[in-house]
Amino acid sequence: SQTIHQWPATLVQPVGSPLSLECTVEGTSNPNLYWYRQAAGRGLQLLFYSVGIGQISSEVPQNLSASRPQDRQFILSSKKLLLSDSGFYLCAWSRGLNTEAFFGQGTRLTVV
Amino acid sequence: GIQVEQSPPDLILQEGANSTLRCNFSDSVNNLQWFHQNPWGQLINLFYIPSGTKQNGRLSATTVATERYSLLYISSSQTTDSGVYFCAVLDGGSNYKLTFGKGTLLTVNP
Repeated sequence: SQTIHQWPATLVQPVGSPLSLECTVEGTSNPNLYWYRQAAGRGLQLLFYSVGIGQISSEVPQNLSASRPQDRQFILSSKKLLLSDSGFYLCAWSRGLNTEAFFGQGTRLTVV
Repeated sequence: GIQVEQSPPDLILQEGANSTLRCNFSDSVNNLQWFHQNPWGQLINLFYIPSGTKQNGRLSATTVATERYSLLYISSSQTTDSGVYFCAVLDGGSNYKLTFGKGTLLTVNP
């Protein structure tokens, strides 16, 4: 069966520090991968998606970037964190376009 | 872009009660999913239901795509059902981007 791993679960970082969140999927090949953010107030917003290695599409211009160095690995990064980057970050995968999406356990990021 | 509205925003029930959560969307959709967000934040897949009716234990869902709404039914609610329920859709013009509603916060009291 397929599983998705996301780490770390929680993270407290100072303003101006770099960020790297990692997500990996097991049990499938060539998945579509996604990064979502959930700010206070519950709504989830798509940040990035990828349909293959090195292919990244950004939905919202901001202080973050994403990379896909391997087929089942998706990384969310920032060179310098802002207070507004605080939130709950969720990685997701799907078999292909227009199919059911499955989410990781999330990373709660607090920028202080 | 597509708009997704969920109602009610908050719902408080006594254990054993039944409830109906609604999701309205503003345009045609390729995909609709219901999720339960547990207290630790994880999104649990409940249903993948772009149309029709599905049941899983005490939960069932119906999507009427032509009328642009979906309903999630919870019967004989339990305290473990508490949490936020999200509806998310892929609109007809997108095959990758899930647009989420703001969720329904369900509290089931013992």
